[in-house]
Amino acid sequence: NAGVMQNPRHLVRRRGQEARLRCSPMKGHSHVYWYRQLPEEGLKFMVYLQKENIIDESGMPKERFSAEFPKEGPSILRIQQVVRGDSAAYFCASSQKGLGIHEQFFGPGTRLTVL
Amino acid sequence: DQQVKQNSPSLSVQEGRISILNCDYTNSMFDYFLWYKKYPAEGPTFLISISSIKDKNEDGRFTVFLNKSAKHLSLHIVPSQPGDSAVYFCAATSGGATNKLIFGTGTLLAVQP
Repeated sequence: NAGVMQNPRHLVRRRGQEARLRCSPMKGHSHVYWYRQLPEEGLKFMVYLQKENIIDESGMPKERFSAEFPKEGPSILRIQQVVRGDSAAYFCASSQKGLGIHEQFFGPGTRLTVL
Repeated sequence: DQQVKQNSPSLSVQEGRISILNCDYTNSMFDYFLWYKKYPAEGPTFLISISSIKDKNEDGRFTVFLNKSAKHLSLHIVPSQPGDSAVYFCAATSGGATNKLIFGTGTLLAVQP
């Protein structure tokens, strides 16, 4: 009964490179959320996806960031042309589908370091 | 604009005593509140939640209290154990189509043996 899986756990990129973060939700969960935690801060919502659909991307920067959750395979958060300010822990969470379901279950995170 | 606030960055408690972690919010549209526990280098772990139609929810050693008029909630842990030492995040959601969570900045709890 695997939980939310994220890989890689650690990712180092140089400025200008691309970062791809992957998230596999818990079995039976069809909702995926991405959050970012900057040093000394709480988690900030970035984007909410269901299979093949972006439902809410209000927390995601308009440039360089994109997310997808294809019909098959994991959800991907993609950061193009990374900058030092992108260094953070990126957490994926998943939840079940249904009214009144609010609990989200988090993966271990991907720690991105931009040199 | 910090809609969910945890004003105590840290708290130290003796083993066996009660730990009380506090959280305030400003958005009256929030209708569901959650507490998460987080160890270093790990993801947040769901602890307990409460709907805005309730004022208390209990699960073992953990109890969450909600005071809607004061826009305040608290998490009580009793008795506290050294393994409870972690960062605790309060989160809120207004549900709707998104159900995105708005997090506080966290409180670092240290339970002293």
